[in-house]
Amino acid sequence: QIQLVQSGPELKKPGESLKISCKASGYTFTDYAMQWVKQAPGKGLQYMGWINTQTGKPTYADDFKERFVFSLETSASTAYLQINNLKNEDTATYFCATGFDYWGQGVMVTVSS
Amino acid sequence: DVVMTQTPVSLSVAIGQPASISCKSSQSLVHSDGKTYLNWLLQRPGQSPKRLIYLVSKLDSGIPDRFSGSGSETDFTLKISRVEADDLGVYYCLQGTHFPNTFGAGTKLELK
Repeated sequence: QIQLVQSGPELKKPGESLKISCKASGYTFTDYAMQWVKQAPGKGLQYMGWINTQTGKPTYADDFKERFVFSLETSASTAYLQINNLKNEDTATYFCATGFDYWGQGVMVTVSS
Repeated sequence: DVVMTQTPVSLSVAIGQPASISCKSSQSLVHSDGKTYLNWLLQRPGQSPKRLIYLVSKLDSGIPDRFSGSGSETDFTLKISRVEADDLGVYYCLQGTHFPNTFGAGTKLELK
């Protein structure tokens, strides 16, 4: 069955960087784009953008064009979200999803000095 | 960006009673390919979102037919014919017609 398994929780300081992984299984990785979604504590869902798993081309929503990087390791069926120069407002759970029908379990990221 | 306005913000419903959630978009969700990319998702407490309905009215696999979706252009509705305990959580509409995809703010379904 299709599964997206994400990496574990992260505790970081402002200014640091992190890289979250999303490992896919149960389907051909390049058949579906990978979406990324942010959910701040107690808040709703915010779309971050997507990456074309065939070409590796990322497309970012406006709020995520500056410090956010989507990437792939196709041989490992894994997508990555890197966040650079972390800010307090990056504290959130980050989800990967294919076509919004399959979701990872989410990665809780806490940014605090 | 397309704004998705969901109402109500919260809903208290007794088991066995119907429930209805509205989602209105700031522009038509009819894509140039003729399809309308409107989805409904449920996020149960402490869980990832789960898609219930796609293309306005198509039920995802395993979703009971107590759930139904309807609407067109800018006006959409999710209906639950008879609420069950497992239905509690936050419901979101999501449009995928225009980039960036946008979510409604959510409707919290509580049991009365």
